[in-house]
Amino acid sequence: DAGVIQSPRHEVTEMGQEVTLRCKPISGHNSLFWYRQTMMRGLELLIYFNNNVPIDDSGMPEDRFSAKMPNASFSTLKIQPSEPRDSAVYFCASSFETVKQETQYFGPGTRLLVL
Amino acid sequence: LAKTTQPISMDSYEGQEVNITCSHNNIATNDYITWYQQFPSQGPRFIIQGYKTKVTNEVASLFIPADRKSSTLSLPRVSLSDTAVYYCLVGDMDTGRRALTFGSGTRLQVQP
Repeated sequence: DAGVIQSPRHEVTEMGQEVTLRCKPISGHNSLFWYRQTMMRGLELLIYFNNNVPIDDSGMPEDRFSAKMPNASFSTLKIQPSEPRDSAVYFCASSFETVKQETQYFGPGTRLLVL
Repeated sequence: LAKTTQPISMDSYEGQEVNITCSHNNIATNDYITWYQQFPSQGPRFIIQGYKTKVTNEVASLFIPADRKSSTLSLPRVSLSDTAVYYCLVGDMDTGRRALTFGSGTRLQVQP
């Protein structure tokens, strides 16, 4: 099993540009999570999906952020337009939701720098 | 959601046992306690999970007292490679109180 796959691993962009982060969850997992990590705020949940349906997006900072999960094997997190304060490491994680003792499996993260 | 409180940081030396305690005073009856470990430049990874008393695996032990208002992660004979941030989460899938709040964690620094 390849684990959770994220791309790109690193992204440098200029303020105002659109950024798209991609995630492939572990096959068979039915929950997918997007987190953001910064030194100031730690690891924050942005949004999560169950069976491709967004369940809780209360952590999405503002309308510039959007996430989609068109099928069970792919999700995107888009920032448009990007701002320097969006610089962070973005993690995707997946889990098998029907297991009571839920365990999340994290990807390697995408390190985003907005200049 | 159950709020957890952990020390910000801890220091230890190689070969020592390290105990990290997490407080979760408002833990609910069905909540499980889960610990994750995060190395620099990596995503968190699951270490151990428990509901009550003691749980042990090849990496760590988890001690949970009867009132379940706290839990202690025990790392036996730490090495330099155990330097990481450790997170305590509390939640229950069945009631929708999913363990999704990582907080700041405890930064463990192991010295030679």
